[in-house]
Formats: sequence, C-alpha cells, structure tokens
Amino acid sequence: GAVVSQHPSRVICKSGTSVKIECRSLDFQATTMFWYRQFPKQSLMLMATSNEGSKATYEQGVEKDKFLINHASLTLSTLTVTSAHPEDSSFYICSAPNGGGSDTQYFGPGTRLTVL
Amino acid sequence: GENVEQHPSTLSVQEGDSAVIKCTYSDSASNYFPWYKQELGKRPQLIIDIRSNVGEKKDQRIAVTLNKTAKHFSLHITETQPEDSAVYFCAASKGGSNYKLTFGKGTLLTVNP
Repeated sequence: GAVVSQHPSRVICKSGTSVKIECRSLDFQATTMFWYRQFPKQSLMLMATSNEGSKATYEQGVEKDKFLINHASLTLSTLTVTSAHPEDSSFYICSAPNGGGSDTQYFGPGTRLTVL
Repeated sequence: GENVEQHPSTLSVQEGDSAVIKCTYSDSASNYFPWYKQELGKRPQLIIDIRSNVGEKKDQRIAVTLNKTAKHFSLHITETQPEDSAVYFCAASKGGSNYKLTFGKGTLLTVNP
C-alpha cells in the first residue's frame, strides 16, 4: 500500500509557541490530504482538508488562524499549531488517498503534541 | 453532514469466538465504508472496506456486510485471536479521493486468551 510519513513523531513545547507538523506522501502524489486530531480514548475528528495549490477547507469549529495548513506540493502538507496551549495537546494524524480517484486513505503515523 | 454511530463501545470475547461490530450512517449519498484497526499510539490501519454496490465482502477471518436500505454496515471477525485486540473504527464517505471520512466513535475489542 501507499506510504504516508509524518514528522515529528513527538513534540513537547511551551505554551504560546508554534509547532509545525509535516505530512508527506512518499511513493505517490496527493492533491488532497486530511488532518485529524485524536484525543485519548476518542475517535478521529477531521480538522481540515488540505488542497494542493489552494486554501484548506476547515471543519466547523476549527480555527483556521490557529491551525495553519499549507499544501505547497503534491507530496507535502504542513499543519502549524500557532500559539499552542495545553488544550491543544493531542495526537495529530494526517491521511491521503493514493490517487487515481481511489477511495482508500492511508494514514501517517501521527504526531503526539504535548503543550506544557 | 454525515453522522456515523458505532456499537458497542467495548467488546470482550474469548479467543476463538466471533466478534461483531455494527455501524449506522445517516447520509444516503455515502457509498464507501472502510474499517480501521488502531493499536495504542499507532496509526489506523485499513483492514477491509466495502462499496455500496456490494452487500458483503470477506477477507480470511474478516467480513463486512452492508445494508444500504437500512443504512447500516457491520464488521465480523471470526476465530478471534489475542492479536485482534485493538480499537476498531468504522467510517463512511461519498467515495473518491476528495471526500472526507466520517468516523464512528470506535470499539475497544479485547480478546481474552
């Protein structure tokens, strides 16, 4: 299957700082990527749809100025959590469909963010 | 928007028994229904999926059934093994690479040896 990577896998930061998370499709091109957030013992909640070359589409209740998404190439999308606070601590996971109109989405390994 | 309900939230079975997890969806336009297995701290892994033009699909010990009229679909795991223990999520989408997945809340499956 297709491979999606994320970096970093784990980050600890102080309150008020910004954190950038990268999502890469390693062996395929992805015009669309999805960013999810998962709190402990909960389901995956879609935050936004990242579109290559255009603005991201945010889900209701997700602050676009706080969670900046940039999809500058067909293999890379970045999520920047600006002015992070402890309540932003979560598991952030990206996914990408492997193209050709396929339904199948492949997930990255996730990034564990802890804001002190 | 789409709403996916998943039951039960926890399921405990003895090794060798079968496990069934059920999901319902609300949007009749949804036509793609994947199931993911997630181990603690790991990424969700696709284990099986079904599209709306099919009523049942099987892959070894895992099967999925879909009732489009009733808008529900189920995951069946037979001959369960301890390594099947994980959280299982159902999801629904309208299909295609640009459509988002809406997930159920998950089922924690525990297979007791």
